[in-house]
Amino acid sequence: EAGVAQSPRYKIIEKRQSVAFWCNPISGHATLYWYQQILGQGPKLLIQFQNNGVVDDSQLPKDRFSAERLKGVDSTLKIQPAKLEDSAVYLCASSSLAGSYNEQFFGPGTRLTVL
Amino acid sequence: AQSVTQPDIHITVSEGASLELRCNYSYGATPYLFWYVQSPGQGLQLLLKYFSGDTLVQGIKGFEAEFKRSQSSFNLRKPSVHWSDAAEYFCAVGAVSNDYKLSFGAGTTVTVRA
Repeated sequence: EAGVAQSPRYKIIEKRQSVAFWCNPISGHATLYWYQQILGQGPKLLIQFQNNGVVDDSQLPKDRFSAERLKGVDSTLKIQPAKLEDSAVYLCASSSLAGSYNEQFFGPGTRLTVL
Repeated sequence: AQSVTQPDIHITVSEGASLELRCNYSYGATPYLFWYVQSPGQGLQLLLKYFSGDTLVQGIKGFEAEFKRSQSSFNLRKPSVHWSDAAEYFCAVGAVSNDYKLSFGAGTTVTVRA
């Protein structure tokens, strides 16, 4: 079974530029999560999708971050414009069910550096 | 609000020696507790989880963890460490009342010396 795929693996941009990350979850997984992991900290949930609907985006800085999951499969997370403090690893995870503690499977992450 | 503290930022252990990683949580009701491992360049992998029942939980890769309600702790242990156990370890807590969201600790980096 293929795991969660993310691209790109690394991205370096200047502040105020835009960037987008892509995630392809495990086939059949209805729930998709985006986490932000700042160096020295644990992952922090940004947004959770159930199929193509948003379940929780309370921690998403909506003035600059946006995310979508068209057709309930792949997802993109966008930052526009980026700030220095957005430098982090962005992790995508998927699980087969929402509303339970079904295991979340994590992708390798995208490491973003904002200069 | 739920929170997790991992008091040790970095632990160095000799190969073959035992390992214990500490995790303390803050939550009013019975929490759901997890340990994840993250190897360099990899995503997080679930080692084990505690929901209820036996307070000693067995996981993958020879790890175990013990839930102690009186101490609000969920420490991770391994009797004999292998070089491949070098990684970052995260403790996480969740609750049904918080819509099953996970709160992660800051992590403990484990270095294994030969």
